[in-house]
Amino acid sequence: GENVEQHPSTLSVQEGDSAVIKCTYSDSASNYFPWYKQELGKRPQLIIDIRSNVGEKKDQRIAVTLNKTAKHFSLHITETQPEDSAVYFCAASKGGGFKTIFGAGTRLFVKA
Amino acid sequence: EPEVTQTPSHQVTQMGQEVILRCVPISNHLYFYWYRQILGQKVEFLVSFYNNEISEKSEIFDDQFSVERPDGSNFTLKIRSTKLEHSAMYFCASSAFSGREETQYFGPGTRLLVL
Repeated sequence: GENVEQHPSTLSVQEGDSAVIKCTYSDSASNYFPWYKQELGKRPQLIIDIRSNVGEKKDQRIAVTLNKTAKHFSLHITETQPEDSAVYFCAASKGGGFKTIFGAGTRLFVKA
Repeated sequence: EPEVTQTPSHQVTQMGQEVILRCVPISNHLYFYWYRQILGQKVEFLVSFYNNEISEKSEIFDDQFSVERPDGSNFTLKIRSTKLEHSAMYFCASSAFSGREETQYFGPGTRLLVL
């Protein structure tokens, strides 16, 4: 069945450093790849997304890259801050109305 | 900014009881979803709903579960006879999907504890 693998499960960085989280997906029909940030006890919040016709997208300190051939996509956070500490989930879907498959999550710790 | 809302925020129930979790999606959204998240684990898709019928469901969404849009604003998830393994956080989400707008907005969740 469809699957999304996410690595690493835990990531600890110093404030100001970059953080990279990587995901692979199995369903080649997937065309929409959102990233969510979840703080403890809170709802997942979309931080960035990318569609299959785009290879890279940036929003301030956050960027996402997509390699459709390899079925890989990655989240890059630059100049990390303590408030970036949270669990980050990647996900893949075939678009609106279809199931969204989430990765297992990456717990990011940013040390001040 | 409009938000998805969910009630109740917490529910404790005895095994075998029926529970109904309620959601009010964002008003102009067309697609509605339920997800669950067992404590410390990933978010898992349960079901998507469009035009008053189920679009897609996962293997988790067995005959113990049902969804309904009883009126123009509410979207409910019913568990007919709760089991211990139904204990989880349940999130509702909605998306507009007009054009290329597929972003799903999540509600705050209902934490269900089955005793």
